[in-house]
Amino acid sequence: DQQVKQNSPSLSVQEGRISILNCDYTNSMFDYFLWYKKYPAEGPTFLISISSIKDKNEDGRFTVFLNKSAKHLSLHIVPSQPGDSAVYFCAASGPTSGTYKYIFGTGTRLKVLA
Amino acid sequence: DTGVSQDPRHKITKRGQNVTFRCDPISEHNRLYWYRQTLGQGPEFLTYFQNEAQLEKSRLLSDRFSAERPKGSFSTLEIQRTEQGDSAMYLCASSLVHSQETQYFGPGTRLLVL
Repeated sequence: DQQVKQNSPSLSVQEGRISILNCDYTNSMFDYFLWYKKYPAEGPTFLISISSIKDKNEDGRFTVFLNKSAKHLSLHIVPSQPGDSAVYFCAASGPTSGTYKYIFGTGTRLKVLA
Repeated sequence: DTGVSQDPRHKITKRGQNVTFRCDPISEHNRLYWYRQTLGQGPEFLTYFQNEAQLEKSRLLSDRFSAERPKGSFSTLEIQRTEQGDSAMYLCASSLVHSQETQYFGPGTRLLVL
């Protein structure tokens, strides 16, 4: 049972344009959501998070949007840069996912074309 | 402080051998997590410590796996009688004590069982 889903395994975007990465979840008890970026042979690097009491959080070029009614979150990267090329994972946690553990999606590979 | 560190970064072993990995968390973090990541998947939770107490273990953690955090600082993950299916990236993360605290990941240990 995949509680966190990233249905697009890959995405290609031109440099300077907006990248939109999507994530859906099934467990309405999740109350904290995060995006991580992962380069090959490295561990995931934290990008941005959002609590369920908010619907938007911005940090520089990165914005996360949360739609609780649709159980959907998205990561917007504007403008996209070649260095953003990586695999992006969304993760969720909450009282029913277990003691603070994260449930991860399967990732979306972003390629930013110069 | 340079973040979460893991040792070794790579390990190749023969089936049936025992292996041990080490994780050093960020110094003030009292929560420590182990995850496993296989190809095409997101990280999957294995186990979690708060200080020296192991508070949760996933069903993924068979009895061949054991984790310790004896002094509430570094942690070790041992796999006994390794099997080819154990080949994966083993990730360690740490966080502060807070219900929505961000977990910070180390670079991982990539295990290949021949």
